[in-house]
Amino acid sequence: NAGVTQTPKFQVLKTGQSMTLQCAQDMNHNSMYWYRQDPGMGLRLIYYSASEGTTDKGEVPNGYNVSRLNKREFSLRLESAAPSQTSVYFCASSHTSGGYSSYNEQFFGPGTRLTVL
Amino acid sequence: SQKIEQNSEALNIQEGKTATLTCNYTNYSPAYLQWYRQDPGRGPVFLLLIRENEKEKRKERLKVTFDTTLKQSLFHITASQPADSATYLCALDFSGGYNKLIFGAGTRLAVHP
Repeated sequence: NAGVTQTPKFQVLKTGQSMTLQCAQDMNHNSMYWYRQDPGMGLRLIYYSASEGTTDKGEVPNGYNVSRLNKREFSLRLESAAPSQTSVYFCASSHTSGGYSSYNEQFFGPGTRLTVL
Repeated sequence: SQKIEQNSEALNIQEGKTATLTCNYTNYSPAYLQWYRQDPGRGPVFLLLIRENEKEKRKERLKVTFDTTLKQSLFHITASQPADSATYLCALDFSGGYNKLIFGAGTRLAVHP
């Protein structure tokens, strides 16, 4: 099993360009998440998907859109990149879609390092 | 809004000693709290989860405590090894078990031989 995979690993964009970050998991998890991590700060939730067909905003959704394409794949799109979106982006997945379950640990991908000039 | 505080300064300890990392939070208590390890250039890796009604959890050399009165979790690594050197993140679920986590900024641990 590959776990959670993310593409690309690195990307440099110019201000105003668009791009889509791809994420896929092969663990049959219900929930998927997108985070960004900036120096000196914790991971911040951008969007999450509790189950296939649903998405919801996290703490910092402005400037991003997401698509839960199927149970395996969850993409993050930057429509018009800004320098403030320079960050490391992590995708994660977990088994549960809610409630006090024992399976709430999240599995993370290796990250995408994005620079917006 | 909820705020999570972890020691921002790196923790340096000698091999074989016990490392203790702190995670403090404000306002109301979360449904559960998780600890993750993150190595440079990699994604976080889950270590332990403790629920609001649990006081302590252990896994091999790791121990987590959760004090909802103090609004604090302590993460201990006993008999520490240089391979334990990493950044350790605490994450709290304030969404009632729906796994929307808020992460602390992490504490970097360096274990010296």
